[in-house]
Amino acid sequence: DAGITQSPRHKVTETGTPVTLRCHQTENHRYMYWYRQDPGHGLRLIHYSYGVKDTDKGEVSDGYSVSRSKTEDFLLTLESATSSQTSVYFCAISEKTANSPLHFGNGTRLTVT
Amino acid sequence: KQEVTQIPAALSVPEGENLVLNCSFTDSAIYNLQWFRQDPGKGLTSLLLIQSSQREQTSGRLNASLDKSSGRSTLYIAASQPGDSATYLCAVLIQGAQKLVFGQGTRLTINP
Repeated sequence: DAGITQSPRHKVTETGTPVTLRCHQTENHRYMYWYRQDPGHGLRLIHYSYGVKDTDKGEVSDGYSVSRSKTEDFLLTLESATSSQTSVYFCAISEKTANSPLHFGNGTRLTVT
Repeated sequence: KQEVTQIPAALSVPEGENLVLNCSFTDSAIYNLQWFRQDPGKGLTSLLLIQSSQREQTSGRLNASLDKSSGRSTLYIAASQPGDSATYLCAVLIQGAQKLVFGQGTRLTINP
């Protein structure tokens, strides 16, 4: 298994509070991604990074921000959580480009009440 | 807009059968197609990646084919086992974008 650790694994938070999810990799892969998975929508890309301090938006980036200050860490922040952000969040990495196999972490289940 | 469809949404077969899972996509301008499996409560595990210039890839009992012109891929599982029970997802990488578009998956159950 690719060395990807997501934390926390579960979180319950209240509407309007800030939340940060962390993804840590030990593979030294260049590309890192944040997805959310919802019934009826499948997996959707939130943000991705192609290097330290290099990030870009995915298809559902509104309400989310990311940061990557080190190769191994990619943080996803919900500035003010809403109930529509209740989801399972997955971090993924790939070695060279998106044209390499994608490896996923085990996910963070976030509930916003 | 690229759309990826997997039919059926669920499939149940007895152990030992050979089976085929289907994936279709609307835009043939892709870099690659990937097949994943997802076990309950877990992340996705990469099974096979087929480059757009390739026709198929094999790994053990799994064989994936790609027909880009018709917008179709199949995942063939030989001699199915209960441990193959999982949700199988396909995803295509869009040309010009660092982005995979996923299908919603086929939930496969292999009955002992």
